[in-house]
Amino acid sequence: DIQMTQSPSTLSASVGDRVTITCRASQSISSWLAWYQQKPGTAPTLLIYDVSKLTSGVPSRFSGSGSGTEFTLTISSLQPDDFATYFCQQYDTYGTFGQGTKVEIK
Amino acid sequence: QVQLVQSGAEVKKPGASVKVSCKASGYTFTKYAMYWVRQAPGQRPEWMGRIYTGNGNAEYSEKFQGRVTITRDTSASTAYMELSGLRSEDTAVYFCARGTYCGVTSCSFDYWGQGTLVTVSS
Repeated sequence: DIQMTQSPSTLSASVGDRVTITCRASQSISSWLAWYQQKPGTAPTLLIYDVSKLTSGVPSRFSGSGSGTEFTLTISSLQPDDFATYFCQQYDTYGTFGQGTKVEIK
Repeated sequence: QVQLVQSGAEVKKPGASVKVSCKASGYTFTKYAMYWVRQAPGQRPEWMGRIYTGNGNAEYSEKFQGRVTITRDTSASTAYMELSGLRSEDTAVYFCARGTYCGVTSCSFDYWGQGTLVTVSS
């Protein structure tokens, strides 16, 4: 199985901050990497697929980059609605998720 | 608009089985694979399996092989996930999700059901 490891597990930040979350795969997954946002009690929402493609309606402050085994999600200027948990998911082989990064208010 | 509506919460005893439904609307059901993902409290989502809704072929994670069965009813645009031999560790929210942007063998999920809480307790 491909293992996905995110860092950090928790991130404390303020509105307006630039935030970066890292996701590492245990083996190459080419560009088959997605990012989701999840708020308590709701299903995850797809933000980015194929490493860097934004889903329709996702604000441009979200961006993704990387290839192979290392990937990043960047929020250029954190907004109040962005405080949530973020998961990466590889879909090269089946579909494993990272353990999540909780973005909380500093 | 695309919607995936799941059946309601279940409470089951250890050893029992549970069957969760996922009714799709707003798109052609047979054009997208349907996936099942579960999430235990405070944990990461976990891929369980998928069904190709067109031909009915299902594929399962090794972890759940032998305990999970995914089926579909195209006339009702509904997918089902049945998990048997329930144990306390199976307590989780179970989601169906539509596979849209796909890689070699799997997909990312653009629409999700609202989730079904399955509680396993004696």
